[in-house]
Amino acid sequence: DTEVTQTPKHLVMGMTNKKSLKCEQHMGHRAMYWYKQKAKKPPELMFVYSYEKLSINESVPSRFSPECPNSSLLNLHLHALQPEDSALYLCATSHIENTGELFFGEGSRLTVL
Amino acid sequence: AQKITQTQPGMFVQEKEAVTLDCTYDTSDQSYGLFWYKQPSSGEMIFLIYQGSYDEQNATEGRYSLNFQKARKSANLVISASQLGDSAMYFCAMREYEDNFNKFYFGSGTKLNVKP
Repeated sequence: DTEVTQTPKHLVMGMTNKKSLKCEQHMGHRAMYWYKQKAKKPPELMFVYSYEKLSINESVPSRFSPECPNSSLLNLHLHALQPEDSALYLCATSHIENTGELFFGEGSRLTVL
Repeated sequence: AQKITQTQPGMFVQEKEAVTLDCTYDTSDQSYGLFWYKQPSSGEMIFLIYQGSYDEQNATEGRYSLNFQKARKSANLVISASQLGDSAMYFCAMREYEDNFNKFYFGSGTKLNVKP
């Protein structure tokens, strides 16, 4: 069983919809990440939260809006997406200190029509 | 410059044979971590093995071993006795510590196909 849980597993949305991806962890990690992954490509970093504060935004378009309400939860709010935003969205967590690996959730597969 | 380079887009291996997946990295840090992840078609990223930059012994986890050559900056994954379930994408990754948190860099991946 994964200790990083992502919901929903699959999401289909139109370009005018507003939806959210959710990530929950119970590992006590204080760094949380959103990655976007297209087919046959490596994960691309989107956002990093450190102690619930946004530390990195890798020039992600504003139609993606992250939120970290507490140390266990990470959301990604989606609005007015484009078809090219269709991808696998992976949530991950890690220690803040210089140790340990990234723990991934199972991902949310997003299709934008 | 690329932080992580995986030069093999695709590999084939016969079931029960060993296979080596290549990975080279680029860093000026003294303290860093190297990882391999497996990603089956379902999409989940599965952690396989870890090597710390100060570890003198090569890491091993079951059928997985990491051939760490620090001077050459390489961290190849060796899978022994391949199984059909090993067919997947494999990503090499490196952790660096920047601005008080960990940053992870991924290679482009190697698609491994195990033939019966």
